Amino acid sequence: QQPVQSPQAVILREGEDAVINCSSSKALYSVHWYRQKHGEAPVFLMILLKGGEQKGHEKISASFNEKKQQSSLYLTASQLSYSGTYFCGTDEIYSGNTPLVFGKGTRLSVIA
Amino acid sequence: DTAVSQTPKYLVTQMGNDKSIKCEQNLGHDTMYWYKQDSKKFLKIMFSYNNKELIINETVPNRFSPKSPDKAHLNLHINSLELGDSAVYFCASSQDVWGRTEAFFGQGTRLTVV
Repeated sequence: QQPVQSPQAVILREGEDAVINCSSSKALYSVHWYRQKHGEAPVFLMILLKGGEQKGHEKISASFNEKKQQSSLYLTASQLSYSGTYFCGTDEIYSGNTPLVFGKGTRLSVIA
Repeated sequence: DTAVSQTPKYLVTQMGNDKSIKCEQNLGHDTMYWYKQDSKKFLKIMFSYNNKELIINETVPNRFSPKSPDKAHLNLHINSLELGDSAVYFCASSQDVWGRTEAFFGQGTRLTVV
């Protein structure tokens, strides 16, 4: 079941904050976040596991609400280097052998 | 040293041809994957191999055949190429078989079928 990401696209000025949301209709074991810059491979940002935690990496952090089956990625004081497409990938608890399913991505553009 | 490398980076070919894409990882991971990213950027799993064994085959036409000679390599062979096969194909690897750990992606192979 493909997770739903919102917004589809967002434009920010340097220094502004953004939130990207990822929601699933299924119970989740984990949520993964990746960033892909234009013409490059997706790069891992973080994994949030069932059990509830908020992770951070410099000015990028994320939360995972298991009950709501949602995760949010927070980008604070955005930099030009944050531009790219952000994907969440969800791992469903009862999915058995099915792999990580990625959302359609959120295109983030940071302008000077 | 590139962690996950795939060749070629670009591939332009005519309909009906057969082509292969190679992938190698030097991370010591047990699991390797092939993903297809279409023009709308949708990233979809195609195959997953764990220690040379096929784990996941996601409703991919049987014209696509993955081969894993050892756990560090996962190649993708495509027969009778069609226009709809045009996409970017990414190889990836992770330590965990169910994708519950970080995945490392190769730089992608942009396949154009004309």
